[in-house]
Amino acid sequence: GNSVTQMEGPVTLSEEAFLTINCTYTATGYPSLFWYVQYPGEGLQLLLKATKADDKGSNKGFEATYRKETTSFHLEKGSVQVSDSAVYFCALAYSGGYQKVTFGTGTKLQVIP
Amino acid sequence: GAVVSQHPSRVICKSGTSVKIECRSLDFQATTMFWYRQFPKKSLMLMATSNEGSKATYEQGVEKDKFLINHASLTLSTLTVTSAHPEDSSFYICSASRSGGSSSTDTQYFGPGTRLTVL
Repeated sequence: GNSVTQMEGPVTLSEEAFLTINCTYTATGYPSLFWYVQYPGEGLQLLLKATKADDKGSNKGFEATYRKETTSFHLEKGSVQVSDSAVYFCALAYSGGYQKVTFGTGTKLQVIP
Repeated sequence: GAVVSQHPSRVICKSGTSVKIECRSLDFQATTMFWYRQFPKKSLMLMATSNEGSKATYEQGVEKDKFLINHASLTLSTLTVTSAHPEDSSFYICSASRSGGSSSTDTQYFGPGTRLTVL
């Protein structure tokens, strides 16, 4: 079956540090890949997505590249801010029919001033 | 666009009562809506998939008689937790997809979640 594996957290960084959150997946075919962010007490927000190999999704300074050869979709940001503190979920989904999303377990990021 | 709302955002109820949670797509029509449950410090667990005008499809292990789902229109789905017990306390999140079609760019848009506490 499909699965998504994320690095375990929590990840604690100082403000302006470089962020990488690793994500690898197991799937057949060509799923779309997503990063969602969940701020404390809130639901999930789509952060970025990529729908095919070598696509780069980007938003709010975050970016991730769909690497089919390594089945990875690592999230990166060059300079994190305190406001980036949240839980980040990597996910995959197939288009068509019932579009079920498979989530990773989430990685909590804490940015300290 | 693509805003999904949930109501209520937080509910506390007594054991044995039923609670209804609404999920609405505010600016688009959602053929398919999904209900998730999130346990503390855990990922989201898909409970069921609902399509407008038809019965919901429940994931394995989810009691369909306990978690009643109704997708009455293209903008509204409801989840009713019947005879709630403390173990049903959780964060319930819905999502909506613009279409159930074959576009490779279909994305699920998530509601803000409902915190259910059963005393």
